[in-house]
Amino acid sequence: RKEVEQDPGPFNVPEGATVAFNCTYSNSASQSFFWYRQDCRKEPKLLMSVYSSGNEDGRFTAQLNRASQYISLLIRDSKLSDSATYLCVVNQNNNDMRFGAGTRLTVKP
Amino acid sequence: DAGVIQSPRHEVTEMGQEVTLRCKPISGHNSLFWYRQTMMRGLELLIYFNNNVPIDDSGMPEDRFSAKMPNASFSTLKIQPSEPRDSAVYFCASTPRGPDTQYFGPGTRLTVL
Repeated sequence: RKEVEQDPGPFNVPEGATVAFNCTYSNSASQSFFWYRQDCRKEPKLLMSVYSSGNEDGRFTAQLNRASQYISLLIRDSKLSDSATYLCVVNQNNNDMRFGAGTRLTVKP
Repeated sequence: DAGVIQSPRHEVTEMGQEVTLRCKPISGHNSLFWYRQTMMRGLELLIYFNNNVPIDDSGMPEDRFSAKMPNASFSTLKIQPSEPRDSAVYFCASTPRGPDTQYFGPGTRLTVL
């Protein structure tokens, strides 16, 4: 089993749609969790951290369920500029960071 | 802040040649990571350092790969001899003390012919 698994995608959605990505992780001792965004031929960049209580940043909402070892990202009112690959990242222990394979999102007019 | 700096940005070499990739982390960051990204395998952690000390190199594919961090401001990833299957984008990332948000460099696109 992979350490971090994501929805395979790709997701093709119209502008204004709501889209959700899921991610599961295998190491129950994992300490912290993140969503990164990667544009084509660019480096990954932090989108948001994921906190146990869930957190929101504008149109983006992240949820963590430690019991189920599950992380989600919800994007509301999607924009063309949201088109990218979204990477689920898990800090297993002391900066041992593991990335999911990524989910590709395309938002169309 | 200049961010994480990697060089070269692009490298084309022939099979069997030695390749050296370079990284300068953000000043003050105490952890440095080397990743490899391909379409088939996604983003893979190769090795990471804390305070210049290698912590986990289990992701290094084989003995042809080696990494060093002689000081807090410089790291190298060396492939000798290189093979076509090493073709990938190699990213370096650094992390500040305490918070573990990773800051990535722009990557080195390596092509081995």
